[in-house]
Amino acid sequence: DTEVTQTPKHLVMGMTNKKSLKCEQHMGHRAMYWYKQKAKKPPELMFVYSYEKLSINESVPSRFSPECPNSSLLNLHLHALQPEDSALYLCASSQETGGINIQYFGAGTRLSVL
Amino acid sequence: AQTVTQSQPEMSVQEAETVTLSCTYDTSESNYYLFWYKQPPSRQMILVIRQEAYKQQNATENRFSVNFQKAAKSFSLKISDSQLGDTAMYFCAFMTGGADGLTFGKGTHLIIQP
Repeated sequence: DTEVTQTPKHLVMGMTNKKSLKCEQHMGHRAMYWYKQKAKKPPELMFVYSYEKLSINESVPSRFSPECPNSSLLNLHLHALQPEDSALYLCASSQETGGINIQYFGAGTRLSVL
Repeated sequence: AQTVTQSQPEMSVQEAETVTLSCTYDTSESNYYLFWYKQPPSRQMILVIRQEAYKQQNATENRFSVNFQKAAKSFSLKISDSQLGDTAMYFCAFMTGGADGLTFGKGTHLIIQP
């Protein structure tokens, strides 16, 4: 089973709203990732959590706040977003096996900021 | 910093034909990993094939194979006996060791015609 579950699938929010994206995996993976993908563009890395600690933050604006409450769950808290933050947000998880980390992706949350 | 270049924005072939997608990369790292991911309209990124840079043998997965030329920093994907379900966006991706994020190329939109 290589399932990464993201909820919600779609989200529409105003610029003053606070919302959260959720990502869950039960594969025992110890690294989890958030990517942002604009239309017709490749995914861009936002954050990496390794063993529940933030290990990489790609200079993401503070209106995006990640949280890893436990090894199976990854959240992305959203506050005061801008219309240009509208995108597909992808979560991935990985575990090193045989010296290689293979990332498995969820289906994403399509976010629209009005 | 690593860069990944996919020079074919779109390709179209007939069903059952063989097609090759190109990818070049640039890095000063000696240890790294290369991947091809597929993203159909359903949005989920699906791992197609992977290659460890230290392995000389080209990876194969059923109808999918790669031509890895380390000195030339080239990593092309060959799809044999193409099927309608192969229609998708294909991303070449690079990763160094550990729980690092993936660096993606811009993608190639592959269309399989009936």
